Amino acid sequence: DAGITQSPRHKVTETGTPVTLRCHQTENHRYMYWYRQDPGHGLRLIHYSYGVKDTDKGEVSDGYSVSRSKTEDFLLTLESATSSQTSVYFCAIRDRGGGTEAFFGQGTRLTVV
Amino acid sequence: GNSVTQMEGPVTLSEEAFLTINCTYTATGYPSLFWYVQYPGEGLQLLLKATKADDKGSNKGFEATYRKETTSFHLEKGSVQVSDSAVYFCALIILYNQGGKLIFGQGTELSVKP
Repeated sequence: DAGITQSPRHKVTETGTPVTLRCHQTENHRYMYWYRQDPGHGLRLIHYSYGVKDTDKGEVSDGYSVSRSKTEDFLLTLESATSSQTSVYFCAIRDRGGGTEAFFGQGTRLTVV
Repeated sequence: GNSVTQMEGPVTLSEEAFLTINCTYTATGYPSLFWYVQYPGEGLQLLLKATKADDKGSNKGFEATYRKETTSFHLEKGSVQVSDSAVYFCALIILYNQGGKLIFGQGTELSVKP
């Protein structure tokens, strides 16, 4: 199994509170991604990183920020959680090259009440 | 912009039936194309891929051909099994100009009945 770990796996938080999700890899892969998965919407890209301190927005980046201060960690922060951010969040990693496989974490189920 | 469109599910088939899940894409540059599968309660895992036009990806009896002229990458299997029940995602990567952005379709749920 690819060395990718998400934490926490489950979290319940209140509206308006900040939340940080962590993705940790042991593969030294260049690319890291954060997605959210919602019924009827599939997997939507929030942010991704193509190197340390190099990040870019995805299609649903509003309300989210990310940081990557070292290769192995990619943090997703909800500055002020809202109920619309209740979702399952997946992290993925991928090495260089056009055809390289992406490996996914087990997901974090976040509920904002 | 770049996007992936899949046929809507759920798709319900009897065991040993033929499967087709349609996928079309819009992309600038030269995408690589993928099919990922998600079993209940798990993350996604790669099923097959194709990196250039006319390439055929195959794995576990599933096949898909990269058709640049129709911008399609349809998934097929000749005889499905109950164990194939899962959600299937079509995806693309644009390397040039986009820094490796990996984009997914909305997913198609497949249910195979005995």
